[in-house]
Amino acid sequence: GENVEQHPSTLSVQEGDSAVIKCTYSDSASNYFPWYKQELGKGPQLIIDIRSNVGEKKDQRIAVTLNKTAKHFSLHITETQPEDSAVYFCAASRNQGGKLIFGQGTELSVKP
Amino acid sequence: EAQVTQNPRYLITVTGKKLTVTCSQNMNHEYMSWYRQDPGLGLRQIYYSMNVEVTDKGDVPEGYKVSRKEKRNFPLILESPSPNQTSLYFCASSFKGLDYYEQYFGPGTRLTVT
Repeated sequence: GENVEQHPSTLSVQEGDSAVIKCTYSDSASNYFPWYKQELGKGPQLIIDIRSNVGEKKDQRIAVTLNKTAKHFSLHITETQPEDSAVYFCAASRNQGGKLIFGQGTELSVKP
Repeated sequence: EAQVTQNPRYLITVTGKKLTVTCSQNMNHEYMSWYRQDPGLGLRQIYYSMNVEVTDKGDVPEGYKVSRKEKRNFPLILESPSPNQTSLYFCASSFKGLDYYEQYFGPGTRLTVT
């Protein structure tokens, strides 16, 4: 069935360093790939997304890359700050306004 | 303020006692969905609804029911809860159309079944 694998499960970096989270999806029909940030006690919140016709997208300190051939996509956070500490989820979808298949999550810790 | 609300936020109950978790959104979204979040498994979809009176199973529907009588509300019903339904539950909503729309998540309901 449809599956999204996410690595690493935990990531600890020093403030100012970069963080990279990687995901692999199984459904070749997937064409929408959002990333969500979940802070403690809150629901996931969309931080960036990418569609299959784009290879890279950037928004200030965060960027996402997509390799459709390899079925990989990654989240890059540069100049990390303590407020970036949270759990990050990748997801994949093949339907407009529909079902998301989530990765297992990455707990990012940014140490001051 | 655009938001998805869930009630209750925390619930401890016993095996077999029927319960309902409410979800409401004020954004006029067609699509609503329930997920459960478990450690190491991410979020898994339980049920979803494309519009009023239209519901369908997600990946883990066993033991759950839903209804969509009004556009803004999408309650999750556990007729006979069991300990394996102890989890963190999220309701989400979005527009549905020819493009991909952001899914907005509620704050979560932490359910413990003893």
